[in-house]
Amino acid sequence: DAGITQSPRHKVTETGTPVTLRCHQTENHRYMYWYRQDPGHGLRLIHYSYGVKDTDKGEVSDGYSVSRSKTEDFLLTLESATSSQTSVYFCAISAGFNEQFFGPGTRLTVL
Amino acid sequence: AQRVTQPEKLLSVFKGAPVELKCNYSYSGSPELFWYVQYSRQRLQLLLRHISRESIKGFTADLNKGETSFHLKKPFAQEEDSAMYYCALRSGGSNYKLTFGKGTLLTVNP
Repeated sequence: DAGITQSPRHKVTETGTPVTLRCHQTENHRYMYWYRQDPGHGLRLIHYSYGVKDTDKGEVSDGYSVSRSKTEDFLLTLESATSSQTSVYFCAISAGFNEQFFGPGTRLTVL
Repeated sequence: AQRVTQPEKLLSVFKGAPVELKCNYSYSGSPELFWYVQYSRQRLQLLLRHISRESIKGFTADLNKGETSFHLKKPFAQEEDSAMYYCALRSGGSNYKLTFGKGTLLTVNP
């Protein structure tokens, strides 16, 4: 697998609490992406980054923020978790011209 | 706006039978199409991209611009092909973002 890890792999939290998910890569790829995967919806892009400190919104960005202070790390924060954010979150990386490589996913449950 | 449609949520075939997973897209420019596969509780991995025209694990897919389709085919399905399959489109000049279809869950029965 491409050098991409996600932490934590599983998390259970309560409504209203902040949650941060981490994506870490060892490939030095420029582009990083956060998706959520839900039954019946496939994968939907939350936010993406095209360089250090360069980020932009995807199609389902409400309630989420991201930060990328160094090439290898891309953080996704749920500012105040809601039950509708219960999902599996995938990070992906890309050098641009090649395909996206996906991380192992984080299963988040918001009670 | 670009869109990817996978009309079948579920597809069930018997081992040895041909399988075709449908993918249609909507995009005004010149698209780049991919098929990703996700085996049970694993990460997504690339199966095919149309520009490479490879055959991976016996699967092939041809881009038909006239019908705006990129259907995935395999002549003889195997049980290990059981997985979720996603079609994805990448448009130019978009920071290489992908738009995914909703996926088709393929089950190959013995």
